[in-house]
Amino acid sequence: QKEVEQNSGPLSVPEGAIASLNCTYSDRGSQSFFWYRQYSGKSPELIMSIYSNGDKEDGRFTAQLNKASQYVSLLIRDSQPSDSATYLCAGYPQGAQKLVFGQGTRLTINP
Amino acid sequence: GAVVSQHPSWVICKSGTSVKIECRSLDFQATTMFWYRQFPKKSLMLMATSNEGSKATYEQGVEKDKFLINHASLTLSTLTVTSAHPEDSSFYICSAGAGGFYEQYFGPGTRLTVT
Repeated sequence: QKEVEQNSGPLSVPEGAIASLNCTYSDRGSQSFFWYRQYSGKSPELIMSIYSNGDKEDGRFTAQLNKASQYVSLLIRDSQPSDSATYLCAGYPQGAQKLVFGQGTRLTINP
Repeated sequence: GAVVSQHPSWVICKSGTSVKIECRSLDFQATTMFWYRQFPKKSLMLMATSNEGSKATYEQGVEKDKFLINHASLTLSTLTVTSAHPEDSSFYICSAGAGGFYEQYFGPGTRLTVT
């Protein structure tokens, strides 16, 4: 079982709708989770970090962490075509110094 | 967020030559830097972790004598691809963090083409 898993997609969402991206992790001791956005041909860009259970909102983005169920999600409200990218979920397994990434979910926002 | 730069952004070199890529944290001190490579439409692959002032820790399967990493200061790490071959052509990306379980920030990447 991979330490961090994401559905690779592609996920297609109409413009203006809510895009929901999900991620699960296997190490119950994991802490500190991150969502990165990567446009084709570019490097990843950090868009959200979440450290404790619950929701964290930043503009159109909301990250949700549920440690009991071991999942992390990212909601994008009012999706825009510019949100089309690959979204990477990442976390630190217990005792690890390095981030472990999921394989990424490719999101397409259709005008 | 914090800013990480990389230089050069792209490089073309001949087979057998060496190429050095620099990664700098511009507005914070990076106790730990990471080097990744990424092939087209593939996932990020961690190559090595470097801590300032100590030897890098390489991932399994990454040749430490081929990919030389130096982290001489809290703001600079370098990756040297020695005796480059066409199969080393890839997108090399560094990231930097302030340590602990906190955010890592990625540089813009360096596209290496070996002819």
